[in-house]
Amino acid sequence: IQLTQSPSSLSASVGDRVTITCRASQGISGYLAWYQQKPGKAPNLLIYAASTLQSGVPSRFSGSGSGTDFTLTITSLQPEDFATYYCQQLNTYPYTFGQGTKLEIK
Amino acid sequence: QVQLVQSGADVKKPGASVKVSCKASGYTFIGYYLHWVRQAPGQGLEWMGWINPNTGDTNYAQDFQGRVTMTRDTSISTAYMELSSLTSVDTAVYYCARVYRYSSVDVWGQGTTVTVSS
Repeated sequence: IQLTQSPSSLSASVGDRVTITCRASQGISGYLAWYQQKPGKAPNLLIYAASTLQSGVPSRFSGSGSGTDFTLTITSLQPEDFATYYCQQLNTYPYTFGQGTKLEIK
Repeated sequence: QVQLVQSGADVKKPGASVKVSCKASGYTFIGYYLHWVRQAPGQGLEWMGWINPNTGDTNYAQDFQGRVTMTRDTSISTAYMELSSLTSVDTAVYYCARVYRYSSVDVWGQGTTVTVSS
């Protein structure tokens, strides 16, 4: 299953609301996770089961979608949110990742 | 606290094999599957497979079938990923990660850099 994230990169300002889209080449039910990765660090789980916020993750992060179309929304961007974001489908082997969305400061 | 600590960076020649270890602490090792994921320099994430530390069962991504072996030693709460017939395209950071709900992963190792160079 191929996952296509859009956009591939995004410039935004502190306080902005941003949305990242992840589209699957076939249905994956709700088996989708979102991760944040900062340079030189391991990824960090933000959202699992498409819309469930991982414990300890700020509530400005939210996920939605099912089937083939999913979104990650960050309301009121904070300086620490500038990073690369990946979606991953966990419905069908191999568990593929999207190509990533780099969120940069405008 | 829950932690996965991986072995240090390694440099291998083309055609060689590499074995990366992942030591778990702070939780019951046999209670959670482990994924292995790699990331080539400047590239995205690539899922390699999983191991069930309780039974030793494995599932490998087809791209790595025949070249990857995932094992574990429950006596020391450590999982291993061995990749053989290395080429330059295998130069990457290799991560182990604990499987959480809906097969997502909630705890990651710090990553092990493997460089393949003649």
